[in-house]
Amino acid sequence: GAVVSQHPSWVICKSGTSVKIECRSLDFQATTMFWYRQFPKQSLMLMATSNEGSKATYEQGVEKDKFLINHASLTLSTLTVTSAHPEDSSFYICSVDWGALSEQYFGPGTRLTVT
Amino acid sequence: GENVEQHPSTLSVQEGDSAVIKCTYSDSASNYFPWYKQELGKGPQLIIDIRSNVGEKKDQRIAVTLNKTAKHFSLHITETQPEDSAVYFCAASGNDMRFGAGTRLTVKP
Repeated sequence: GAVVSQHPSWVICKSGTSVKIECRSLDFQATTMFWYRQFPKQSLMLMATSNEGSKATYEQGVEKDKFLINHASLTLSTLTVTSAHPEDSSFYICSVDWGALSEQYFGPGTRLTVT
Repeated sequence: GENVEQHPSTLSVQEGDSAVIKCTYSDSASNYFPWYKQELGKGPQLIIDIRSNVGEKKDQRIAVTLNKTAKHFSLHITETQPEDSAVYFCAASGNDMRFGAGTRLTVKP
């Protein structure tokens, strides 16, 4: 399977600031990556599908202007949480779509705390 | 869209016993069913998966069964060990992948 990294692993920011989270596919060229959000003791909720070289596809209810996604290369996708608020505090996890077999491999996650 | 239900939400077993987690899905177009293990503070790790052309798959102590007619699939862990303690998620994938709510498994030594 694919090896996926995320940076940072955790971040604390003040309300109103923006935070960028990086997702890297270390051993696989990923045309498609996914961004999930996970609140404590809950399941993974798909936020958006990140496509290399094109605009991301957002799930219903996810504000595209608040959660900016850039997938400029086959190994890097970034999620920027703009004007963060305490309710954006969550565990953000990316995954790589590993080819045509539908397998997804996840990164280690980024814990965001907005104060 | 796809809807995945997972039961139980919590499961506690004694070390050495078996654990079974069950999931149902709604979209008959789903053809790929992975299981993920998530430890506290970490990302989900793919532990086993099954595709719609197979009824059962086994990998050492873990096995997955699929009943396409009934639209349900199950994870079986035998000879459980304390390090199996984690949250387990099932998922169903057709046009997109949807996850179950998760099962918190605790294996007591």
